[in-house]
Amino acid sequence: AQSVTQLGSHVSVSEGALVLLRCNYSSSVPPYLFWYVQYPNQGLQLLLKYTTGATLVKGINGFEAEFKKSETSFHLTKPSAHMSDAAEYFCAVTLAGNTPLVFGKGTRLSVIA
Amino acid sequence: DAGVIQSPRHEVTEMGQEVTLRCKPISGHNSLFWYRQTMMRGLELLIYFNNNVPIDDSGMPEDRFSAKMPNASFSTLKIQPSEPRDSAVYFCASRQGLNTGELFFGEGSRLTVL
Repeated sequence: AQSVTQLGSHVSVSEGALVLLRCNYSSSVPPYLFWYVQYPNQGLQLLLKYTTGATLVKGINGFEAEFKKSETSFHLTKPSAHMSDAAEYFCAVTLAGNTPLVFGKGTRLSVIA
Repeated sequence: DAGVIQSPRHEVTEMGQEVTLRCKPISGHNSLFWYRQTMMRGLELLIYFNNNVPIDDSGMPEDRFSAKMPNASFSTLKIQPSEPRDSAVYFCASRQGLNTGELFFGEGSRLTVL
């Protein structure tokens, strides 16, 4: 079965610094990969996704992620953190077909002024 | 267009009481998912439906939990009897088409069982 591991339950960065949130997946077949963001007391919102094609995927709010098959990774980055980026971020994986998403445990991002 | 609508947003109940959570998916979406979120276990898939038919309920913790989708615009998740360990945020999400599509989440129902 497929799974994702998010390294670091909490990441803290200074405003303007690089954001790097790590996600590694486990899958026996090519996966579809997603990053979702959750703001306090809200549901999850899609940031970006990789299905096929270009391995560098750009999402909303300046975030991007790169699918690296050799490393089984799909790390999320943003060049310059903003205070409004403080939230919980979830990596998720699924396979082709109509199967549900399997989420990682999440990484809470804090941004320090 | 309205998103996924869940009710109630907050529910506080006593152990042993029946709890019913409700969800209205986005019109035209043919898949519906119930997730539970806790600090300890993160986001867990409880059950999902395709075209109103339950496909996989292996995530439902025990027989106290049940879910129904009587039509394309309504689903319920019921806990009877409730226990303190059921306290969590329960999310409903819907999707159109296959799993490359975006999953849209409701704002969640926060359940506290005393």
